[in-house]
Amino acid sequence: GAGVSQSPRYKVAKRGQDVALRCDPISGHVSLFWYQQALGQGPEFLTYFQNEAQLDKSGLPSDRFFAERPEGSVSTLKIQRTQQEDSAVYLCASTPGITPQETQYFGPGTRLLVL
Amino acid sequence: SQKIEQNSEALNIQEGKTATLTCNYTNYSPAYLQWYRQDPGRGPVFLLLIRENEKEKRKERLKVTFDTTLKQSLFHITASQPADSATYLCALPYTGFQKLVFGTGTRLLVSP
Repeated sequence: GAGVSQSPRYKVAKRGQDVALRCDPISGHVSLFWYQQALGQGPEFLTYFQNEAQLDKSGLPSDRFFAERPEGSVSTLKIQRTQQEDSAVYLCASTPGITPQETQYFGPGTRLLVL
Repeated sequence: SQKIEQNSEALNIQEGKTATLTCNYTNYSPAYLQWYRQDPGRGPVFLLLIRENEKEKRKERLKVTFDTTLKQSLFHITASQPADSATYLCALPYTGFQKLVFGTGTRLLVSP
C-alpha cells in the first residue's frame, strides 16, 4: 500500500473487555514499531519487530499487552482486560530496514477509549 | 534517566515570521536527532534528521541546528504560513536500541 494503515481508527471498549488493534505496514518494510500516545504527550515506545521476531518489548506497560507479527508483515496489538488508563492513541510505524537512523513511517493511529 | 524537554506551551506567531522551537535533552549522547510534524488525528510525519557531526541542516524553509555541547536542538521555520500550524516533535534514538524516544511536542499556531 501507499502508507501504513491501522484499523480500527476508533475503538470504544468497556473496562475489562479485550481489544485487538491492527497495523498494516508499508509493503516490504522489515521493521515495525508500536507506540502509545496519551493526550498532549509524545509517542511512547511499546515494542519493536524485525520481520516476525519481537526484538524489544520493554515498553509494554503490563502483561495485559501482547503484540505479534506472525508472518513478518501485518501486526496486531492486543490488550486484555482493558483499563481506563489504557485510553490513548496507539500508533504503528515501519521502516524499510534495520538501520537505526531510518525514517519511521507512521500510520494514523487507533484511538482507544475505555469506559 | 534519559530525558527530552520541549516547550509544552503553544507558540503563537504571525504569518511571515520565523518560528523557533527548542528541544533539550539530558543524559543522552545521541548520534542523531529527528524532527517530526504531527497534525491532529494523524500520525507523526518525518521532517529532518541531523547527525551529531552536523551543526546545521536545511530543507526548504526548515532549518535544524544541533549543539551537542549544550545538548540542544533548535528547529526553525522561516516565512511561516498558517499551514505550518501543527505539533512538532523531536526524537532521539534510545542508546543502543532501534526505538525512538520522543519529546512531548510543541504546538505551533501561525496566524494570518
